[in-house]
Amino acid sequence: AQSVAQPEDQVNVAEGNPLTVKCTYSVSGNPYLFWYVQYPNRGLQFLLKYITGDNLVKGSYGFEAEFNKSQTSFHLKKPSALVSDSALYFCAVRGTSGTYKYIFGTGTRLKVLA
Amino acid sequence: DTGVSQNPRHKITKRGQNVTFRCDPISEHNRLYWYRQTLGQGPEFLTYFQNEAQLEKSRLLSDRFSAERPKGSFSTLEIQRTEQGDSAMYLCASSPSGGGYEQYFGPGTRLTVT
Repeated sequence: AQSVAQPEDQVNVAEGNPLTVKCTYSVSGNPYLFWYVQYPNRGLQFLLKYITGDNLVKGSYGFEAEFNKSQTSFHLKKPSALVSDSALYFCAVRGTSGTYKYIFGTGTRLKVLA
Repeated sequence: DTGVSQNPRHKITKRGQNVTFRCDPISEHNRLYWYRQTLGQGPEFLTYFQNEAQLEKSRLLSDRFSAERPKGSFSTLEIQRTEQGDSAMYLCASSPSGGGYEQYFGPGTRLTVT
């Protein structure tokens, strides 16, 4: 069965410091991996994806993520956090074997402190 | 690109009533998804359409839930005989054909069953 784990409910980081939001997954076949961000009273917005190719993918707003097949992880990173990055972040996975279903994690609230 | 739209944005209904929600995807997107999101959780997959064909439906989905996409454009999600446990945010997302796979979400319809 497909699953996604975001082990941290909340991550606090000081502005200007690097940030990491963790995600691990379990899926049949090769994974398609995604990060979405949700700001208060706004819909989910796509940040970045891994489909194939280079394990390090870059996305919107300076975010990047590294696909690690051996550790089944897809952690979200940013070299220097901004207060405006404070939001709810969701990791999602879609397997490529017999399903179109996307599974989302429970979300990690990122709080960037000024 | 006007984005994914959903109507109504809010719906309050009494237990036992039927409700119907509408989703208008981005015009050139042939893939359409419905999700349900409750507080503190990530979106939970309900069903998937490719053009007008419903290709996957969650096993968790009660028979009270039905979705249609008759002409491959807009979609409707109907919940019959609503229960208090149906109270949630119902999200629609669309995705283009080809290898993109990222989803573009609408603002959601918040359902409250009293």
